[in-house]
Amino acid sequence: QVQLMESGGGVVQPGRSLRLSCTASGFSFRSFGMHWVRQAPGKGLEWVAVAWYNERNIYYGDSVQGRFTVSRDNSKSTLYLHMNSLRVEDTAVYFCARGPGQLARLMDVWGQGTSVTVSS
Amino acid sequence: SYVLTQPPSVSVAPGQTASITCEKNNIESKSVHWYQQKPGQAPVLVVYDDSDRPSGIPERFSGSNSGNTATLTISRVVAGDEADYYCQVSDSTGDHVVFGGGTKLTVL
Repeated sequence: QVQLMESGGGVVQPGRSLRLSCTASGFSFRSFGMHWVRQAPGKGLEWVAVAWYNERNIYYGDSVQGRFTVSRDNSKSTLYLHMNSLRVEDTAVYFCARGPGQLARLMDVWGQGTSVTVSS
Repeated sequence: SYVLTQPPSVSVAPGQTASITCEKNNIESKSVHWYQQKPGQAPVLVVYDDSDRPSGIPERFSGSNSGNTATLTISRVVAGDEADYYCQVSDSTGDHVVFGGGTKLTVL
């Protein structure tokens, strides 16, 4: 069945870096766009970034632009989120989600999320 | 960037109909998608492209989009529908995604 599984979360100090991974199975990963979405404790969903199927088009939300980088390895069916210069306000559960269609305008399959806590 | 406005909470009795709105100027020009999220779980897509349902989503879930308001309608509400609901749109170029603030649906 179609599945997404995030990993790499943990506790990290402000200013440090962390890399999250999202491993896909059950579908042709290279044919789909992929999103990162986060949810701070007790808050709503916040879009973080999207990487289109073509590996060339990658876009970011305003709050992470310049600090976070998304990459994907289609040979490993894996999406990455490289988070630098982490801030306390980056504390959240991070979900990856599949984005069907050429522009990945929606999210039809979600992982269970991985928790990131930024604290000194 | 723009904002999608949802009511923080909606309450409905079992068997009744719940309507959750998502407001933005001229939202009808965009495709609106809706997600259901239960506590401790990942979101689930329940309506996409304004009014289409993914496979496995009950027909009780429907959507509409007109003018400045998109609406998720849940008919014959059951206790299991209690959850947070989020609307979402994307820019026409696909380079920016926005979620509404979410609506907590309470089944009385």
